[in-house]
Amino acid sequence: QQQVKQSPQSLIVQKGGIPIINCAYENTAFDYFPWYQQFPGKGPALLIAIRPDVSEKKEGRFTISFNKSAKQFSLHIMDSQPGDSATYFCAAPISGGYNKLIFGAGTRLAVHP
Amino acid sequence: NAGVTQTPKFQVLKTGQSMTLQCAQDMNHNSMYWYRQDPGMGLRLIYYSASEGTTDKGEVPNGYNVSRLNKREFSLRLESAAPSQTSVYFCASSGYTGELFFGEGSRLTVL
Repeated sequence: QQQVKQSPQSLIVQKGGIPIINCAYENTAFDYFPWYQQFPGKGPALLIAIRPDVSEKKEGRFTISFNKSAKQFSLHIMDSQPGDSATYFCAAPISGGYNKLIFGAGTRLAVHP
Repeated sequence: NAGVTQTPKFQVLKTGQSMTLQCAQDMNHNSMYWYRQDPGMGLRLIYYSASEGTTDKGEVPNGYNVSRLNKREFSLRLESAAPSQTSVYFCASSGYTGELFFGEGSRLTVL
């Protein structure tokens, strides 16, 4: 069974800090690695995704770094804000299609003012 | 703009009862999915449907059945509910970009 291992399970930072969340995958049929953000009581929503013809992608304060040889990718949140407090999930496609995703266990982030 | 709509939002069942979770999307997406979310385990794929008329098993299909009624609707049925099926269930859909659009979830408790 394919797995995506995500760490840490929870993370607390001060406002302005740079939380980093890491994911490692075993095998994937397609090079497509998204991150989803979930607020309490809501469904997850796509935050940022990378298709690794590049090793890094930035969208605003969010950056994905990708290391294909190590089979790892990470999410960095620059200048974190209390509004970034949420649960973050990494994902990777399993065989059968790039949109058939297996998710990591999630990281609960709290950004304190 | 509704997106993905799930019903019901909350349900309590007794062990052995059956129920169906309904999901509809208005984005003309081909693919639809059912996930369950449990603390510390992330989102696990139960079943998915790549297109109207097709369904396939995900990571944790045991105890569930699905029906892709038409392009808009994808239902999840529990024939004989068990306490291990207590969870939050999410329906999602996706189009050609691969981005998953999730509903707001259905919280199911099995006593």
